[in-house]
Amino acid sequence: AQKVTQAQTEISVVEKEDVTLDCVYETRDTTYYLFWYKQPPSGELVFLIRRNSFDEQNEISGRYSWNFQKSTSSFNFTITASQVVDSAVYFCALSDNSGSARQLTFGSGTQLTVLP
Amino acid sequence: ETGVTQSPTHLIKTRGQQVTLRCSSQSGHNTVSWYQQALGQGPQFIFQYYREEENGRGNFPPRFSGLQFPNYSSELNVNALELDDSALYLCASEREVNTGELFFGEGSRLTVL
Repeated sequence: AQKVTQAQTEISVVEKEDVTLDCVYETRDTTYYLFWYKQPPSGELVFLIRRNSFDEQNEISGRYSWNFQKSTSSFNFTITASQVVDSAVYFCALSDNSGSARQLTFGSGTQLTVLP
Repeated sequence: ETGVTQSPTHLIKTRGQQVTLRCSSQSGHNTVSWYQQALGQGPQFIFQYYREEENGRGNFPPRFSGLQFPNYSSELNVNALELDDSALYLCASEREVNTGELFFGEGSRLTVL
């Protein structure tokens, strides 16, 4: 069965600091997708990135970067020069072939607070 | 804004009652999924509808049921409400089935007393 672990429940940083959110996953499939979503106080989850299991290249999008390492089953997310608007709950998620639909299995989330 | 709208935003029910939650998908999206998010937890998959048919189901009992209409809007029905059903119910649409790039609504916050 698939599982996603986000060990950091809450992180607090001061604006302009870099912060890394950890994600460790478990799956028996060789083909799977990994995701990060952001949930601001309004409640709706916002898609940030999708990465498939065959693409271990790290990705950078503006201040966001993602480090995918199959050897350690990790998909970590780094925010560079954090801003107050980055404050939200961040979820890592996994999608594999174990269900009848491509459902997402979410971690329990990391509450990020960026202080001014 | 994701273009996915849900109603009602908040509601309170008592144990044993029934509830219907509604979702209007983003235009052109033919797949809708429902997730339950308990306080302090990640969302849990309830089921997915693709072209008006249930396309997959998570570990939820049959008293959780759904519908998808020809315009791709959707309903989630929960019968015989229990206290543990108190949660945020999230609807998410996809442009095509199984991309995983979900567009979520802001959710319906259900409280069962």
